[in-house]
Amino acid sequence: QKEVEQDPGPLSVPEGAIVSLNCTYSNSAFQYFMWYRQYSRKGPELLMYTYSSGNKEDGRFTAQVDKSSKYISLFIRDSQPSDSATYLCAILNQAGTALIFGKGTTLSVSS
Amino acid sequence: SQTIHQWPATLVQPVGSPLSLECTVEGTSNPNLYWYRQAAGRGLQLLFYSVGIGQISSEVPQNLSASRPQDRQFILSSKKLLLSDSGFYLCAWTRGTAYNEQFFGPGTRLTVL
Repeated sequence: QKEVEQDPGPLSVPEGAIVSLNCTYSNSAFQYFMWYRQYSRKGPELLMYTYSSGNKEDGRFTAQVDKSSKYISLFIRDSQPSDSATYLCAILNQAGTALIFGKGTTLSVSS
Repeated sequence: SQTIHQWPATLVQPVGSPLSLECTVEGTSNPNLYWYRQAAGRGLQLLFYSVGIGQISSEVPQNLSASRPQDRQFILSSKKLLLSDSGFYLCAWTRGTAYNEQFFGPGTRLTVL
């Protein structure tokens, strides 16, 4: 089983929709969970991170971690065409020294 | 504020040729530095990371090498490129022990023909 799994999509939604992006992970010892956004031909940018379980909100974005099911989610409310990008989940490895990335989900928001 | 630079932005090289990609970080000292490769359908693969000058850890055995000659400079090299080396190479940095907050450069797109 891979350490982090993410459905690559693509995911297409109309403007204003609520988007749910998800990842699963295998090691219950992981504690830090990150979401990155990557526009085409650009480097990834850190959107937000959470520590352990729970929710974290930043504007239209909410990150959620469910450690009991080893499931992490990113919700985007009132999605905009500018949200069209690839979203990568990442987890800090057990040694705490490097990130393990999912393969990314490509999102397209149409106006 | 901190900025990270990579060059070149794009590169087309023949098989068997050497490679040198450079990454520099401004506005911080003693950063942790990382090299990743992103290939289509394969996600971000960590290649090397460095916690200080001359300290390099390799994550994936292959024909690439990395060096850190200065505190804020990280170089990725190869003596002979393979077709499989094509991809999008990304440099990233973190501050101190905040390993979870990685900041990426703009990337170098390498095509090996």
